[in-house]
Amino acid sequence: NAGVMQNPRHLVRRRGQEARLRCSPMKGHSHVYWYRQLPEEGLKFMVYLQKENIIDESGMPKERFSAEFPKEGPSILRIQQVVRGDSAAYFCASSIGLAQFFGPGTRLTVL
Amino acid sequence: SQQGEEDPQALSIQEGENATMNCSYKTSINNLQWYRQNSGRGLVHLILIRSNEREKHSGRLRVTLDTSKKSSSLLITASRAADTASYFCATDAGESGGGADGLTFGKGTHLIIQP
Repeated sequence: NAGVMQNPRHLVRRRGQEARLRCSPMKGHSHVYWYRQLPEEGLKFMVYLQKENIIDESGMPKERFSAEFPKEGPSILRIQQVVRGDSAAYFCASSIGLAQFFGPGTRLTVL
Repeated sequence: SQQGEEDPQALSIQEGENATMNCSYKTSINNLQWYRQNSGRGLVHLILIRSNEREKHSGRLRVTLDTSKKSSSLLITASRAADTASYFCATDAGESGGGADGLTFGKGTHLIIQP
């Protein structure tokens, strides 16, 4: 049973471009969480999704950020018109109950 | 691979008692972090302790770090029913102190506080 997969592992974008981060949950998991980590800081919760539904997006910036978890396929975190401050590591986790299983993360660098 | 291993996997204590959870890891780290997760909610960051620190406090939380033993402990004093949650340690061994290559989570300790 493969773990949580994220791709790409590293993503470089220029200011103004779009970044799309993908997260494939563990098999059978229907809940996905996205987190952002800035250097030397802890993870910060962004959004919690179940299949086709956003349950809690209280940690998402109001503009430029969106997330989806379609019925088929991976969860996508989309950042439009990226700025340098978006440079961070983005982690997703999946669960079916109490425990969350984390992916290896995507490091986004905005030039 | 997940190198943070919490111990115990589950802990049940009476309200008012102290709860201690341990975390062991295998490789060198830049910092170690503790998180709490309530059922069905996202992780909440509790404390970050750097590799050159030995102890850190935040309210009723006390974290120690022993890099020679590659272990950390989280102590919650005067526990309350609201402390019932899962607690995770995460080690950060990335080059720049954070990032996709460095943060690794353990499986967590499920803490139950009996009223």
